[in-house]
Amino acid sequence: EVQLVESGGGLIQPGGSLKLSCAASGFSVNGNYMGWVRQAPGKGLEWVSVIYGGGTTYYADSVKGRFTISRDNSKNTLYLQMTSLRAEDTAVYYCARGQQTGYSGYYFDYWGQGTLVTVSS
Amino acid sequence: SYELTQPPSVSVSPGQTASITCSGDKLRNKYIFWYQQKPGQSPVLVIYEDSKRPSGIPERFSGSNSGNTATLTISGTQAMDEADYYCQAWDSSTYVFGTGTKVTVL
Repeated sequence: EVQLVESGGGLIQPGGSLKLSCAASGFSVNGNYMGWVRQAPGKGLEWVSVIYGGGTTYYADSVKGRFTISRDNSKNTLYLQMTSLRAEDTAVYYCARGQQTGYSGYYFDYWGQGTLVTVSS
Repeated sequence: SYELTQPPSVSVSPGQTASITCSGDKLRNKYIFWYQQKPGQSPVLVIYEDSKRPSGIPERFSGSNSGNTATLTISGTQAMDEADYYCQAWDSSTYVFGTGTKVTVL
């Protein structure tokens, strides 16, 4: 059974840093597409970042240069290092497993339960 | 940047059909995916590759994609289908989510 369990969220002051973790089970993060999607309170889904099987990474413009996605294959865990946090980064952060089908068929088939990050003084 | 537009809300009576649209430029050239999100829960994939249902998703969920509009259809809508629904596409190495539609079963 595929499971994704996020941790690491909490209250952080503006300008601070936080590292989110996503422990995977039932499959290997190594070689799989893995991503982060966030949802601000009362708002819609916003893609944050993805790491492809070969290690290539992509980021939304809103977090580029501040967030870093990575994985530890030995721990079967995905990470999101967040720096220079802003109030607008406040959201529930979901970890998700990615899939690809065809040329433009990139999507997420399993999602974690999410971890809340609150950026406030 | 690429954008996907959905109606903010759709209301449907139990047992009737709900249709949720997702509009974007040249959408027919892309695969569309649909997610259901109930209050306080994580999103769940309900349609992939425009019209395919993952294992465990009821047959009353169906999808189509033509022209610049994709549609998620819920036939014989049940109270348990009340949720937010998001379409998603992939464009230029970015994952694009639609604005979301709240489905209310009256």
